Amino acid sequence: DAKTTQPTSMDCAEGRAANLPCNHSTISGNEYVYWYRQIHSQGPQYIIHGLKNNETNEMASLIITEDRKSSTLILPHATLRDTAVYYCIVKAGGTSYGKLTFGQGTILTVHP
Amino acid sequence: NAGVTQTPKFQVLKTGQSMTLQCAQDMNHEYMSWYRQDPGMGLRLIHYSVGAGITDQGEVPNGYNVSRSTTEDFPLRLLSAAPSQTSVYFCASSYHPAGQGVYGYTFGSGTRLTVV
Repeated sequence: DAKTTQPTSMDCAEGRAANLPCNHSTISGNEYVYWYRQIHSQGPQYIIHGLKNNETNEMASLIITEDRKSSTLILPHATLRDTAVYYCIVKAGGTSYGKLTFGQGTILTVHP
Repeated sequence: NAGVTQTPKFQVLKTGQSMTLQCAQDMNHEYMSWYRQDPGMGLRLIHYSVGAGITDQGEVPNGYNVSRSTTEDFPLRLLSAAPSQTSVYFCASSYHPAGQGVYGYTFGSGTRLTVV
């Protein structure tokens, strides 16, 4: 699975959009981009995933560049409850089962 | 409530003791896995299962055994606990093998294990 690079930490004001970048320059054609987050002491929580098109669900939006070498997770209106470690994971899709490789992630702190 | 249930939430073991961490899911997911999380290390895969009766090793399987006799349950056994196994253990399940379902992989709330 391709390696990802994320900033170590980011800050965001409550109510503003949080834009979390991820670089995955070695991504291959069958690999998806997944985002998970982990709120302190809890299990990781799935947020969203995509292959090449932008995706949106009730939690967030995922913007993937045309060359697929980077992506941005957008939390449109961050709240204090969104303070967490956010993990960008690149993993082959399809029918192949494989581990999720959690790197260090980005610590997002949402301020009042 | 639908989801992944892990028990116990906390456990202290003495070196050499054995125990089983329980994991149960009620979502009829075929795919289940165990991860451990150590400070500064991220999550590492211990064992996984793609269905009842089928298990395989992850990246850190030594010292752990698993079995999958039913779709719902995937227990993790520590055969002879060592201080190096002090960690937080997470169980995860998914409907799709690559976690592409609507809910991705669903994780339990974890078991915090200390081996003294």
